[in-house]
Amino acid sequence: QSVLTQPPSASGTPGQRVTISCSGGNSNIGTNLVSWYQHLPGTAPKLLIFRNNQRLSGVPDRFSGSKSGTSASLAISGLRSEDEADYYCAAWDASLTGPMFGGGTKLTVL
Amino acid sequence: QPHLVQSGPEVKRPGASVRVSCKTSGFDFTSFGFSWVRQAPGQGPEWLGWISAHNGNTKSAEALQGRVALTTDSSTSTAYLEVKSLKSDDTAVYYCLRASMTLRPDDAFDLWGQGTMVTVSS
Repeated sequence: QSVLTQPPSASGTPGQRVTISCSGGNSNIGTNLVSWYQHLPGTAPKLLIFRNNQRLSGVPDRFSGSKSGTSASLAISGLRSEDEADYYCAAWDASLTGPMFGGGTKLTVL
Repeated sequence: QPHLVQSGPEVKRPGASVRVSCKTSGFDFTSFGFSWVRQAPGQGPEWLGWISAHNGNTKSAEALQGRVALTTDSSTSTAYLEVKSLKSDDTAVYYCLRASMTLRPDDAFDLWGQGTMVTVSS
């Protein structure tokens, strides 16, 4: 079971802004950098955001990341149908001495 | 274009072992490391371990209790994951991920394989 907690689902209509949260603790998000991944059905997951808020080259600027204390967020503005996917946060965990992933949030574009 | 291509689906009996391969192309294999994660249905990815293709150093998750073996073959630019003494709850999709050549807390995974379904069933 993931120590990084994400809401199981989120939704929005085209053009809206949605935010996905990722809550952790001092052993992971509180002291380490957060990354975000997008997983479209039938494809390999893709890195969107690294080092809390850095977009990977080629990722639209509609995607943004932030971190405060032991929580992080992924915001998607100007929602599009192709954004419908599962989203995962990840951060190094000192107890695991390895990366830990969130349980994932399924984003539905209504 | 950098690419990770994993081996095909596997069905194994409890107690058996499985080896998953991850063939790379489009980048310098020995300049990177590889992490492996697995994802059971309805759950987030679980990190299994990491290996440096530069020097062979490895780190495995304690939860797998020594059942995981990570290797690389630089002659074919391929990374391998072996899981031994399989149990039914090892059933999952297994992914290889491109990582840094040293195990780093600030690492992020910019390239993933397509996943390999491993089913453990009697």
